[in-house]
Amino acid sequence: DTGVSQDPRHKITKRGQNVTFRCDPISEHNRLYWYRQTLGQGPEFLTYFQNEAQLEKSRLLSDRFSAERPKGSFSTLEIQRTEQGDSAMYLCASSPGTQYQETQYFGPGTRLLVL
Amino acid sequence: AQSVSQHNHHVILSEAASLELGCNYSYGGTVNLFWYVQYPGQHLQLLLKYFSGDPLVKGIKGFEAEFIKSKFSFNLRKPSVQWSDTAEYFCAVNPRGGAGSYQLTFGKGTKLSVIP
Repeated sequence: DTGVSQDPRHKITKRGQNVTFRCDPISEHNRLYWYRQTLGQGPEFLTYFQNEAQLEKSRLLSDRFSAERPKGSFSTLEIQRTEQGDSAMYLCASSPGTQYQETQYFGPGTRLLVL
Repeated sequence: AQSVSQHNHHVILSEAASLELGCNYSYGGTVNLFWYVQYPGQHLQLLLKYFSGDPLVKGIKGFEAEFIKSKFSFNLRKPSVQWSDTAEYFCAVNPRGGAGSYQLTFGKGTKLSVIP
């Protein structure tokens, strides 16, 4: 399967700990997106990369959230000093980055539970 | 900023019944429109999309949607549902060009339960 992959699929952590999630996009997809989905809601946009450049990060939920895509391939999303309100599904998506109008393809997500 | 409303939170149908799920968006400019589906235990998958052209678009598994610009709507339809259509359905929109064009805005989703 050559879809978007995310690791880990599940993460349980204690409040105050740092967590990092990884996303591997579809091969040769230049654009990568992070979303968050809480119970009963649709996915909510967080941030976006075009290759290694983070072109939008104002929607990251707080300064405890950061994302990187250092070589334009995989990306990581880090949450520092986790809070119980950070419990959610974190979704990654990718798109080719060659068209003006594109479809975003989603990964399976990382479900975070903060105790 | 754009927003998306899905009118039905949970829809329960018997097999062979017809389906229509409502989706309305709020945005003053031109948009791209999507329906995604999430089957139990699986990730979000694209069902169909509208970029331009014929406002009636056909997707996978017999689904179709109609874009009515005057009503800011993109309703999803299927003439005869199957038990395997049990899933959560999300409508999403992004502006065509300009700030935020990369950012999908989703509705809250509609859970469809099909009874055999």
